[in-house]
Amino acid sequence: DADVTQTPRNRITKTGKRIMLECSQTKGHDRMYWYRQDPGLGLRLIYYSFDVKDINKGEISDGYSVSRQAQAKFSLSLESAIPNQTALYFCATSDLPTSGLTDTQYFGPGTRLTVL
Amino acid sequence: QKEVEQNSGPLSVPEGAIASLNCTYSDRGSQSFFWYRQYSGKSPELIMSIYSNGDKEDGRFTAQLNKASQYVSLLIRDSQPSDSATYLCAGGYNKLIFGAGTRLAVHP
Repeated sequence: DADVTQTPRNRITKTGKRIMLECSQTKGHDRMYWYRQDPGLGLRLIYYSFDVKDINKGEISDGYSVSRQAQAKFSLSLESAIPNQTALYFCATSDLPTSGLTDTQYFGPGTRLTVL
Repeated sequence: QKEVEQNSGPLSVPEGAIASLNCTYSDRGSQSFFWYRQYSGKSPELIMSIYSNGDKEDGRFTAQLNKASQYVSLLIRDSQPSDSATYLCAGGYNKLIFGAGTRLAVHP
């Protein structure tokens, strides 16, 4: 079984709809992240959470919200989807860093979202 | 604006050759650096991590870090067609900044 799972894997929706993307992990990691990937732009951080009670905005949080329901679950919501939110969305997890260094991030399989 | 810069490529190398991928970063506070490989439509997977100046070797892969020059590189020896993918460089302290990736094409 995959350590980091994302649902749904593909979603087509219409402008103005509310969408939730879900991420679950069995790695036991405290840290979880949501990224979006657009062609030619690499991965951009939307939100991240270092533990259940910690939520932080990334570089492109406008139009998105998140919920950390448990250590293993981190959901991303688009309150009112717009076409420029069409992208590939990845969830990632990492362990607590040692010696102040950032630990490796492990990625889920991605969700391809299309907003018409 | 903290940035990680990579040449988008494509970098085309013949099978068996050495592929050299480069990356520069702007944040001097970055302490951890990673190379990920990403096949089209798939998720990034870790190739190498490097935290200290110098070289780190793992099989056919060698990562190099020069913090003074704010430069990270990845060498792939004996390149294979299966190495054809996009390689993402990432660096940071508490969270990572990713480059846009370099597309590598290894031709037989």
